[in-house]
Amino acid sequence: AQSVTQPDIHITVSEGASLELRCNYSYGATPYLFWYVQSPGQGLQLPLKYFSGDTLVQGIKGFEAEFKRSQSSFNLRKPSVHWSDAAEYFCAVGGVGAQKLVFGQGTRLTINP
Amino acid sequence: EPEVTQTPSHQVTQMGQEVILRCVPISNHLYFYWYRQILGQKVEFLVSFYNNEISEKSEIFDDQFSVERPDGSNFTLKIRSTKLEDSAMYFCASSVEAGEREGYNEQFFGPGTRLTVL
Repeated sequence: AQSVTQPDIHITVSEGASLELRCNYSYGATPYLFWYVQSPGQGLQLPLKYFSGDTLVQGIKGFEAEFKRSQSSFNLRKPSVHWSDAAEYFCAVGGVGAQKLVFGQGTRLTINP
Repeated sequence: EPEVTQTPSHQVTQMGQEVILRCVPISNHLYFYWYRQILGQKVEFLVSFYNNEISEKSEIFDDQFSVERPDGSNFTLKIRSTKLEDSAMYFCASSVEAGEREGYNEQFFGPGTRLTVL
C-alpha cells in the first residue's frame, strides 16, 4: 500500500537555526516525491520535487531535500530558517501518469524569534 | 503566473443540503483533482478527472459526490446531501500541460474551500 509518514507533528526552531523535516514513504513503483508547504489562507505551494537523477535536490527559498532509496526517505532541509518559513509542510508521493498524490500527516513548523 | 482558483473560500451549509464547490484549473492543464483535508488530518485524494471522465476515485468518493466540467474553464465538486463529517477543507488541483509528457507532472493546488456542515 502507498503511504507517507511524517514522524514529527510539530517542530519549533529558532530563526537562523538549521531545519530538517523527516519523511518516509512506502510505494510499490518508482516514486515521485514532493514537499508542499501550506501557509495560513494559502493553497499548497511546491518548494521541492524529486523525479529522478541527483539524490539531493534544490528548491526555492534555500530548501533542499535528499532522496535516499535505501531508507525510503525524502527529508527536507534548510541551513538557516527565516520567520517566513513558519507553515505546515506536507510530504507527498505520486507515480507516473499524473496519478493521485498520497500525503503525509504534515509537520507544523514554528519559528522562534 | 497561472494559478488554480477556488470559490467560495468558505461555505457554511446545513446537514442534508447540496453544495457545489467551484474550481478554475490552470487553463492549458488536462488533469483535474479534488482532495480534502479534515481538520487535523492529512490531505486525502478524492477523485481525478481527465478527458471529461473520472480517471480514478477513492473510497471516500461515494454516490453523494459528483464532479463535472460544465464548460471549458470550471471544474466542480457536488455533494448531494451533506453530512457533518463532510466538514473539511477541499482542494482542487490540476496538472499536465497540453503537449507535455505524462510522468513528470507536479500538481498545482488552489487555496481551498473550507466547508462547514452544521
